[in-house]
Amino acid sequence: NAGVMQNPRHLVRRRGQEARLRCSPMKGHSHVYWYRQLPEEGLKFMVYLQKENIIDESGMPKERFSAEFPKEGPSILRIQQVVRGDSAAYFCASSPSDRGSYEQYFGPGTRLTVT
Amino acid sequence: QQQVKQSPQSLIVQKGGISIINCAYENTAFDYFPWYQQFPGKGPALLIAIRPDVSEKKEGRFTISFNKSAKQFSLHIMDSQPGDSATYFCAAEFNDYKLSFGAGTTVTVRA
Repeated sequence: NAGVMQNPRHLVRRRGQEARLRCSPMKGHSHVYWYRQLPEEGLKFMVYLQKENIIDESGMPKERFSAEFPKEGPSILRIQQVVRGDSAAYFCASSPSDRGSYEQYFGPGTRLTVT
Repeated sequence: QQQVKQSPQSLIVQKGGISIINCAYENTAFDYFPWYQQFPGKGPALLIAIRPDVSEKKEGRFTISFNKSAKQFSLHIMDSQPGDSATYFCAAEFNDYKLSFGAGTTVTVRA
């Protein structure tokens, strides 16, 4: 029973490039959440998606960031024209419903480094 | 704006000792307070959680104390073991899914 999978685990991008982070939820889970963890800080909510729908993107920066969760395939967090301040660990979590965060299981994260 | 404040940033405890981590929140809309344990290179894992209508919850060596009037809650790790060395995050939830995390406490248990 595989857990939440994220890839790549480590990603290095130069300023101005695009970063694509992938999250495959646990089997049977149709809800995905993305969080960002800056150094020395806790995780911060970015976006909540269900299949083909963005439910809550209140934590997403207004520019350069986008997320999708297509009918088939993993959820993608896309960061265009990355800047050094985007360097962080990005975690996704999945759940079978939206009835409580206790159902959210976290992946191992993608560490993004912008040089 | 950090909605959940956590302290201390780090602590060292001897094996068998008690680790205590404190958190405080402002938003009274929060209705669920989980604690997560995170090992290096891993994602956070739910450790124990409490709802505001309960003042204390214990699971094994881990206890949450909750003070609703003070808007504070804490995690106590009794009989700390080297395997407990990890980063611990308190969090608060509203809307059934949106978590606000504290900044984390790195716990080191010395054998």
